[in-house]
Amino acid sequence: DARVTQTPRHKVTEMGQEVTMRCQPILGHNTVFWYRQTMMQGLELLAYFRNRAPLDDSGMPKDRFSAEMPDATLATLKIQPSEPRDSAVYFCASGNTGSGNTIYFGEGSWLTVV
Amino acid sequence: AQSVAQPEDQVNVAEGNPLTVKCTYSVSGNPYLFWYVQYPNRGLQFLLKYITGDNLVKGSYGFEAEFNKSQTSFHLKKPSALVSDSALYFCAVRGMGGATNKLIFGTGTLLAVQP
Repeated sequence: DARVTQTPRHKVTEMGQEVTMRCQPILGHNTVFWYRQTMMQGLELLAYFRNRAPLDDSGMPKDRFSAEMPDATLATLKIQPSEPRDSAVYFCASGNTGSGNTIYFGEGSWLTVV
Repeated sequence: AQSVAQPEDQVNVAEGNPLTVKCTYSVSGNPYLFWYVQYPNRGLQFLLKYITGDNLVKGSYGFEAEFNKSQTSFHLKKPSALVSDSALYFCAVRGMGGATNKLIFGTGTLLAVQP
């Protein structure tokens, strides 16, 4: 049963620390999305990759967030330095090119910054 | 710009009754429309989608949705609700190609099914 795998599932860290979240997309998928979910803002698209190239990261705070795809099986989202307002659930999703194709979500990384 | 509206924060329905969760959209060109469900402390699960063809789309767990182009709506329905359907439901829209090829989500509707 193919699925998107995210690590860590839960992370509690202190303000100012670096946080790295990892995602393994479904094998064969060529698009990867990072979303953030909070009670106040709902689901926000942070970044979007196609064939490992960043297509859109306009939703991501540039000063502290960065997203990369070192290879086709790994996407990373890094926050440095972290702040309490970054506390949220971060979802990775993957799919194939084409607006009609479904994207599939991982179980999320639950981040708490204290 | 594309957008999705879910006008109801919460929908309450008794078990066994039909349910409807509303969604309207705005997009240039033909829309691609999706419904996802999120159970507590879980990721989003795909329920169904409309791409083209028949306006009534059937999906997982007995859910269906009706695409109405004139009303720009894509409401989620189920003939008989179960307590286990209680969850957060998201409607999403995707435009065609280029910069509009993002999947944009609504704010979600919490469905509460009472026994």
